[in-house]
Amino acid sequence: IAGITQAPTSQILAAGRRMTLRCTQDMRHNAMYWYRQDLGLGLRLIHYSNTAGTTGKGEVPDGYSVSRANTDDFPLTLASAVPSQTSVYFCASSPSLGANVLTFGAGSRLTVL
Amino acid sequence: RKEVEQDPGPFNVPEGATVAFNCTYSNSASQSFFWYRQDCRKEPKLLMSVYSSGNEDGRFTAQLNRASQYISLLIRDSKLSDSATYLCVVNNAGNMLTFGGGTRLMVKP
Repeated sequence: IAGITQAPTSQILAAGRRMTLRCTQDMRHNAMYWYRQDLGLGLRLIHYSNTAGTTGKGEVPDGYSVSRANTDDFPLTLASAVPSQTSVYFCASSPSLGANVLTFGAGSRLTVL
Repeated sequence: RKEVEQDPGPFNVPEGATVAFNCTYSNSASQSFFWYRQDCRKEPKLLMSVYSSGNEDGRFTAQLNRASQYISLLIRDSKLSDSATYLCVVNNAGNMLTFGGGTRLMVKP
């Protein structure tokens, strides 16, 4: 089934540890995004990528980095996790940047202690 | 002020009721508007686009008021399966989607 796969589904992490959330899509979409969702704040854009080899900062990029080595994969890395990064992280994609319909992955629930 | 604001609810309604949610947006240059639906512990999915003239999809009606900068979603004959969080989404001139915090709906038997 075409779509987006995220891993892990959930993770508990000690503060200060490095963590990479994986995201893979098989729809050949050019644009990919990482959002975090927190109660009362909705979905906030962390980073995005227009196409393989390019990335951009969203609304809340600090403490996160991304890479886009190819069309399918868009990993999100927390270099040194902090408790305020406890959240649900959604990866999404669209045919092009700014497209109105996003396809989301199932989410990764991260708890930083 | 948030770019897209919604009443978080929850709205508790009986089956068969009609319920309406509003959403306000702050950027007058916003181009496109949508409602997404998110079930508990699931990912958001597009419910419907919102057109300037208003549009209907079965029991769901979406309307846009550009002058007052708000969007509405009306659900008629509510079903138990309508229980979810409804996210108001705006595509600004910068071509990125901005999500509201969501309105939670609970339909009771």
